[in-house]
Amino acid sequence: EPEVTQTPSHQVTQMGQEVILRCVPISNHLYFYWYRQILGQKVEFLVSFYNNEISEKSEIFDDQFSVERPDGSNFTLKIRSTKLEDSAMYFCASSAQGASGNTIYFGEGSWLTVV
Amino acid sequence: GDSVTQMEGPVTLSEEAFLTINCTYTATGYPSLFWYVQYPGEGLQLLLKATKADDKGSNKGFEATYRKETTSFHLEKGSVQVSDSAVYFCALSNTGNQFYFGTGTSLTVIP
Repeated sequence: EPEVTQTPSHQVTQMGQEVILRCVPISNHLYFYWYRQILGQKVEFLVSFYNNEISEKSEIFDDQFSVERPDGSNFTLKIRSTKLEDSAMYFCASSAQGASGNTIYFGEGSWLTVV
Repeated sequence: GDSVTQMEGPVTLSEEAFLTINCTYTATGYPSLFWYVQYPGEGLQLLLKATKADDKGSNKGFEATYRKETTSFHLEKGSVQVSDSAVYFCALSNTGNQFYFGTGTSLTVIP
């Protein structure tokens, strides 16, 4: 069964460093998402991406975050200058249609620890 | 705004016990409701969903009914197994492009 894959599974980085989290969405999907879960808190929406542009973003997704689809298969989340509070599990997801009423498919997540 | 509140965990049950994980939501209009499950070391997987009031979603022995009058979507299973040990997330989607999740409820089933 097709799946969303994410790398790395775990990354430790120093505060202030740039981090890139990578995702390969399901191949025929058109909508891509990043979510995150800080330990013990809710899974929170960061951003959705469609037709090579951001379609929706949350308040969390500020100027230090960016997303890119550099080629036909990868979808990346960049955090420009990491802060301690960015430590979280980051989930990539994709869907064939928009999220409203439809299933979105998640990857296994990338654990980011900022020290 | 839209939100989901689900039962705090962790929950520990003996095999073959009855499971209920409560989920209530706040939303305008007519959201769709979902239960996702995360098994150890894996991603979030769709367990079941319901897209309109009174719909019942079901899968792998789990059920949840979309109750608009009580704004609830409680997850139930009549007889849990050790293999059901996982974290369960209630979620909703509405008119936009994002899902709203609960905090997740960790379930451990002991033999």
